[in-house]
Amino acid sequence: DGGITQSPKYLFRKEGQNVTLSCEQNLNHDAMYWYRQDPGQGLRLIYYSQIVNDFQKGDIAEGYSVSREKKESFPLTVTSAQKNPTAFYLCASSSYRGNYGYTFGSGTRLTVV
Amino acid sequence: KQEVTQIPAALSVPEGENLVLNCSFTDSAIYNLQWFRQDPGKGLTSLLLIQSSQREQTSGRLNASLDKSSGRSTLYIAASQPGDSATYLCAVRGLSGGSNYKLTFGKGTLLTVNP
Repeated sequence: DGGITQSPKYLFRKEGQNVTLSCEQNLNHDAMYWYRQDPGQGLRLIYYSQIVNDFQKGDIAEGYSVSREKKESFPLTVTSAQKNPTAFYLCASSSYRGNYGYTFGSGTRLTVV
Repeated sequence: KQEVTQIPAALSVPEGENLVLNCSFTDSAIYNLQWFRQDPGKGLTSLLLIQSSQREQTSGRLNASLDKSSGRSTLYIAASQPGDSATYLCAVRGLSGGSNYKLTFGKGTLLTVNP
């Protein structure tokens, strides 16, 4: 079955450490997105990519970095510059064909220890 | 800037009741509107997607309507069940600007259906 796979499900980060969240899709979707979800704040867009080797900052990109070397993959790195990284991170994808609906992964919960 | 509001923030109903969740958006220049369900600690599951040219979509006990001119959408759930308990999120996809494929989300309605 086609879908989006996020890993790991849970991730713990020490102070000053960079961590990378994985997102892989086999839907042949062109665009991919990273959202952050905090209680009471809803989902906020971190980065998005409409084609391979190109990506754009979203609303809260500071302290994060991404790459899009393959159509299927859009990893997110949470750097030490991100001062409050504890949150639930969701990856999504959409196509430029069909109904343009979004498909989401199951999420990664990142906690600073 | 697009803003999406969902009312109520929380709703508790007895099993079997029909209910309506509301979503409003400030910019009517949308490409489509999507309703999602989120269970605690899980990702988002798409329920219904309405294109800007459509008025409603139905799937089983769910019916979503869209009034683009007034900036409103409703999600109707018939004969609610305890398994419907979750957070329901509304999101609109914009038309304008370089980020025209991004979704803007409401903060969601937390639904509890009591047996």
